[in-house]
Amino acid sequence: GAGVSQSPRYKVAKRGQDVALRCDPISGHVSLFWYQQALGQGPEFLTYFQNEAQLDKSGLPSDRFFAERPEGSVSTLKIQRTQQEDSAVYLCASSLYSYGYTFGSGTRLTVV
Amino acid sequence: AQKVTQAQTEISVVEKEDVTLDCVYETRDTTYYLFWYKQPPSGELVFLIRRNSFDEQNEISGRYSWNFQKSTSSFNFTITASQVVDSAVYFCALIPNYGGSQGNLIFGKGTKLSVKP
Repeated sequence: GAGVSQSPRYKVAKRGQDVALRCDPISGHVSLFWYQQALGQGPEFLTYFQNEAQLDKSGLPSDRFFAERPEGSVSTLKIQRTQQEDSAVYLCASSLYSYGYTFGSGTRLTVV
Repeated sequence: AQKVTQAQTEISVVEKEDVTLDCVYETRDTTYYLFWYKQPPSGELVFLIRRNSFDEQNEISGRYSWNFQKSTSSFNFTITASQVVDSAVYFCALIPNYGGSQGNLIFGKGTKLSVKP
């Protein structure tokens, strides 16, 4: 596609519910990144894939967070047993070459 | 420590004024990349510029210009003759030790710029 597509655009979850956020990167982009952006803050790194391999997951805040990219294209970020502190915008970015990132519009998650 | 500081939380200017957004970074690495991104209300991060640590040449792109000074660890961004469409949150970001840590952009907290007509 022309850009990085994320869905849903907005998600409201009840505390304790599991959620899945989808990222469709630019076709052919090898690298894919997830970031979390709390209200009024800058984005913070969560995890990084090169093709289907998850090379860095050091930013995932707890074991309730899980990301996958099984075929090296679409990626899903899953959050289990959501808590209020998980409320944030989740941004996905992809790149073809080092340091040329294109970001999606994000998914705004609100946990109530 | 690896850190980006944007001391200005919010700036408000009147259209056609010049405005400078400050960015100070900290890294122990001698090789790194610096970035500026724009985040309009729609939410996506729009890439503005990337600069590597070996290139201190200032850059101008239309109404935008960037001043990179390693001596003060600063990478400031100036908008000349601001327009209402420039209203957004602007983020400065750092990748330390490029080649060693792919993808780990470290962002500042952002500066919200409001340009009033």
